Amino acid sequence: RKEVEQDPGPFNVPEGATVAFNCTYSNSASQSFFWYRQDCRKEPKLLMSVYSSGNEDGRFTAQLNRASQYISLLIRDSKLSDSATYLCVVRRDSSYKLIFGSGTRLLVRP
Amino acid sequence: NAGVTQTPKFRVLKTGQSMTLLCAQDMNHEYMYWYRQDPGMGLRLIHYSVGEGTTAKGEVPDGYNVSRLKKQNFLLGLESAAPSQTSVYFCASSSGPGQLNTEAFFGQGTRLTVV
Repeated sequence: RKEVEQDPGPFNVPEGATVAFNCTYSNSASQSFFWYRQDCRKEPKLLMSVYSSGNEDGRFTAQLNRASQYISLLIRDSKLSDSATYLCVVRRDSSYKLIFGSGTRLLVRP
Repeated sequence: NAGVTQTPKFRVLKTGQSMTLLCAQDMNHEYMYWYRQDPGMGLRLIHYSVGEGTTAKGEVPDGYNVSRLKKQNFLLGLESAAPSQTSVYFCASSSGPGQLNTEAFFGQGTRLTVV
């Protein structure tokens, strides 16, 4: 079993839709959580960190459920420009290691 | 702001040739990483460094070597390239654990084809 698992998608949604991605992690020692965005043939870029109390940045909301060991990302009012692959990343604070999920691909259609 | 810079951006090698990929960061980060990304595989860690003069193996280190002689630079070497090393290579850097911001910053990637 992979340490970080994501549904690969693709999620194909119309503009304006709300879409949610989940990510599960297997190591309970994981302490830091992030969502990265990766556009085709580009480098991953930080979308947002995920805090224990949940956090919001504009149309994006991230939630963390430590008991169930999953992280979620909610995108409201989807834009065409949101089309990308979304990578879930976890890190144990005692470790160097950033563990990446394989990514969930989002396609937003007109 | 330069951030993380990788060179070269593209390269085609013949089987058996060697090459070095250079990664430079200007954020004074302690940690640096080399990943490879293949279709459907996500990012896999090749080698990493937790500080100047230190390196360690990641998930897929075979066929690669690294060096970190200066804090800002992390070099990835392929001694004898194989077609299985055709991939996109990303360098990243981050501050260490316990810091306020621990997210990783990535270079633009190197697309390597081994024929």
